[in-house]
Amino acid sequence: GENVEQHPSTLSVQEGDSAVIKCTYSDSASNYFPWYKQELGKGPQLIIDIRSNVGEKKDQRIAVTLNKTAKHFSLHITETQPEDSAVYFCAASLESNFGNEKLTFGTGTRLTIIP
Amino acid sequence: GAGVSQSPSNKVTEKGKDVELRCDPISGHTALYWYRQSLGQGLEFLIYFQGNSAPDKSGLPSDRFSAERTGGSVSTLTIQRTQQEDSAVYLCASTLGPQPQETQYFGPGTRLLVL
Repeated sequence: GENVEQHPSTLSVQEGDSAVIKCTYSDSASNYFPWYKQELGKGPQLIIDIRSNVGEKKDQRIAVTLNKTAKHFSLHITETQPEDSAVYFCAASLESNFGNEKLTFGTGTRLTIIP
Repeated sequence: GAGVSQSPSNKVTEKGKDVELRCDPISGHTALYWYRQSLGQGLEFLIYFQGNSAPDKSGLPSDRFSAERTGGSVSTLTIQRTQQEDSAVYLCASTLGPQPQETQYFGPGTRLLVL
C-alpha cells in the first residue's frame, strides 16, 4: 500500500518568514495530494490540493509543488502569520476498488509562528 | 451551514467496556469516512460508506471494531471490549458524493481514553 513520509515533525518560523513542509510517497499510482491544517481541538481542514497533472498550485500565501518523478510534494507558506500556527498534514490518494479516495496521511508537522 | 458533528467530544472508559461514537455528516453528503488519529501520528483510515453500497471496511484494525450507517446519514462506530491501545481521537469526514478527489470535511473528533 501507499506510504507517506512527512518532514519536519516540528517547525518554528519567525513571523513574516516562509515555512516549507515536505512529503514523499511510495505509490506512483497516487494522483491526488491534499494538504490539511488542524488547529487545536478541531478536525483537519483542507487548505490546498494538487492533482498529478499539475506541477504547482498557488492560493494567496500558500503554494504546493509536486514532483511526480521523484514522488515528493511540498507545502510553502509565505509571509507567515501567528494564525498559521497549527499541525499540517499531507496526504496521497489512490482510488480504491470501492470508488472512494483512500487517503494515506503523513504524520504531521507542528508549525509554530514566533511573533 | 452546519458542518460535520461528532459526539461525544470526549469519552473515558474502562478497559473491556464497549463504546459507541456518533457522527452526523453534512446534510446531503452521501459519503462518510471514519479515521483514527493516535498521538503524534497521522490519520489512519478505518471505514468508508457510500450511499447504500457495501462499505469499505479494509481499515478496521480488528473484529472489535464495527460501524453502521443508518438511513444513509448518521453513522455509529462501535468498539467492543476496549483496550488501552484504542485510546485515540476518532475523526469522521463526509463528502458530497463518491467522485474521486472530492474534499473531505472533517468533524472535531471524539477523544477516547481507555483506562
